[in-house]
Amino acid sequence: NAGVTQTPKFQVLKTGQSMTLQCAQDMNHEYMSWYRQDPGMGLRLIHYSVGAGITDQGEVPNGYNVSRSTTEDFPLRLLSAAPSQTSVYFCASRYRGRSTDTQYFGPGTRLTVL
Amino acid sequence: EDQVTQSPEALRLQEGESSSLNCSYTVSGLRGLFWYRQDPGKGPEFLFTLYSAGEEKEKERLKATLTKKESFLHITAPKPEDSATYLCAVQYNAGGTSYGKLTFGQGTILTVHP
Repeated sequence: NAGVTQTPKFQVLKTGQSMTLQCAQDMNHEYMSWYRQDPGMGLRLIHYSVGAGITDQGEVPNGYNVSRSTTEDFPLRLLSAAPSQTSVYFCASRYRGRSTDTQYFGPGTRLTVL
Repeated sequence: EDQVTQSPEALRLQEGESSSLNCSYTVSGLRGLFWYRQDPGKGPEFLFTLYSAGEEKEKERLKATLTKKESFLHITAPKPEDSATYLCAVQYNAGGTSYGKLTFGQGTILTVHP
């Protein structure tokens, strides 16, 4: 049981390049989310999903796309990288039951856009 | 406008000196309030979920409480290993798929000196 895995751990891009951050969970959780964390800004929600085929925008969705074709995977795509997207990106997986609600985070991807 | 506000931004304690962290929220229709711990360079680690005013949960030296406007994370006789950033987040009912997203505060950086 690996929990939430993210790849890569580190990435350097040039302005205008595109890439996909991978996220996978093996807990069969319906809910998954992508956050970015910047100094002094806390965790800000980019996109989230409440099940396979269902995604929605968070607070800061511009410049990012997501899809959820399976329960396990929730990739985040940067369409044309900009220096403002330099950040640490966290993927999370969440179990929401009748009497319990728990969210697990991955280890993060540190992205630098030059 | 801020929906989730944490205070203080930073807190320095001596080992054994008990204190509390605050998380105030202005959302309506609260469905859950979450506390996380984050160590440098790592993803947040789930601590507690509180659902209704008056609810309390405990884990080792930590105790979380909830009122209609705020939550407190009480730390009793802290140790240096309790040093971390503590984050709170809320889930509230805003229609649509809003049940799938959490809104985070900016965190409190706790340092416990031996």
